[in-house]
Amino acid sequence: GDSVTQTEGPVTVSESESLIINCTYSATSIAYPNLFWYVRYPGEGLQLLLKVITAGQKGSSRGFEATYNKETTSFHLQKASVQESDSAVYYCALGDNYAQGLTFGLGTRVSVFP
Amino acid sequence: EAAVTQSPRNKVAVTGGKVTLSCNQTNNHNNMYWYRQDTGHGLRLIHYSYGAGSTEKGDIPDGYKASRPSQENFSLILELATPSQTSVYFCASGSLKQDTQYFGPGTRLLVL
Repeated sequence: GDSVTQTEGPVTVSESESLIINCTYSATSIAYPNLFWYVRYPGEGLQLLLKVITAGQKGSSRGFEATYNKETTSFHLQKASVQESDSAVYYCALGDNYAQGLTFGLGTRVSVFP
Repeated sequence: EAAVTQSPRNKVAVTGGKVTLSCNQTNNHNNMYWYRQDTGHGLRLIHYSYGAGSTEKGDIPDGYKASRPSQENFSLILELATPSQTSVYFCASGSLKQDTQYFGPGTRLLVL
């Protein structure tokens, strides 16, 4: 089946430092799945951070970026300068384009300290 | 604004009892999903639906039933709850093209 592996947390980083959360995937049901980053801020529900549905493309949102790399089957999330408000749990996910639900990684808890 | 709501938000149940978790969406999405999240696991798909009257098994359907009586509502039913079903359950809705799923706030279920 499909699977997603991401950086094991927790990750602690100081404000204004850079952040990278690694994500690699294995998709057996489809050659080029849709790729997503979801985020859950403290006390809130899961929400979409960014998505990329075309291999080779980059998605961006709220200062975060992720590039869909089909050669390395990776979709790493990066931010050049984090803020305390970026403290959250981040989930990498893939979709098979057949609306049969998403496959999620375990989530990475990120804590940003001032 | 897309909206998915779940009820109850917290539930304590006894082993062997029946539990129904409800989900309502106002996005007019055809597809709806139930996931559970446990420590050491990402969200795992239990059941999903393509529309009213339709239910499909996800990756971990054993011990669960689902019901989709209308476009807006999707329920998850535990006929005989077990402690292993203690978890946080998330409902989501999505469009036909699997573009984005919108999630509810989650329901914490404790089975004693």
